[in-house]
Amino acid sequence: GDSVTQMEGPVTLSEEAFLTINCTYTATGYPSLFWYVQYPGEGLQLLLKATKADDKGSNKGFEATYRKETTSFHLEKGSVQVSDSAVYFCALSDPVSGTYKYIFGTGTRLKVLA
Amino acid sequence: GAGVSQSPRYKVAKRGQDVALRCDPISGHVSLFWYQQALGQGPEFLTYFQNEAQLDKSGLPSDRFFAERPEGSVSTLKIQRTQQEDSAVYLCASSSSGTAGNIQYFGAGTRLSVL
Repeated sequence: GDSVTQMEGPVTLSEEAFLTINCTYTATGYPSLFWYVQYPGEGLQLLLKATKADDKGSNKGFEATYRKETTSFHLEKGSVQVSDSAVYFCALSDPVSGTYKYIFGTGTRLKVLA
Repeated sequence: GAGVSQSPRYKVAKRGQDVALRCDPISGHVSLFWYQQALGQGPEFLTYFQNEAQLDKSGLPSDRFFAERPEGSVSTLKIQRTQQEDSAVYLCASSSSGTAGNIQYFGAGTRLSVL
């Protein structure tokens, strides 16, 4: 079945450091890919998405490119801030499922130190 | 309302008790999803509604779990005879249509603790 694999956390960085969170997937069909963020005490919020190969999603300085050849959707940010501290989830939605439910990775906790 | 609303935010139940969790989706959203998030894990799909029709319940872990959306808006997830392994955060999400690229909007969740 479909699955999403994220790098293990927690990831601890100093402010202004470069961030990469790896995400790879397996899917039966041609999925759409998403990154969601969960701040402490809050619900999941969409960070960015991409729906086809080579699409780049971007938001708030975060970027991720849909790489079909490597089945990857790695999240990057050039300069993290303390306020980026949160849990990040990679997810896919596969049209083959018929329901467009999300399959999530296990999440990566990011802690940014001032 | 502006977003997906879930109630209660926290629920403590004694083992064997029945619980009901409510989800109020964004007005006009056709699709509604329930997910279960165990501590330190990603959310896992439970069930899906398109309007009032429950089209997929393949993720419900046992026949103790039941969901409904009788009028195509508010949904209720019911867990009968709760067990300790049911302790988790239950998330509801809605989206405007059932397409792969469509964004799901999540509520803040209901944290269920079974003692």
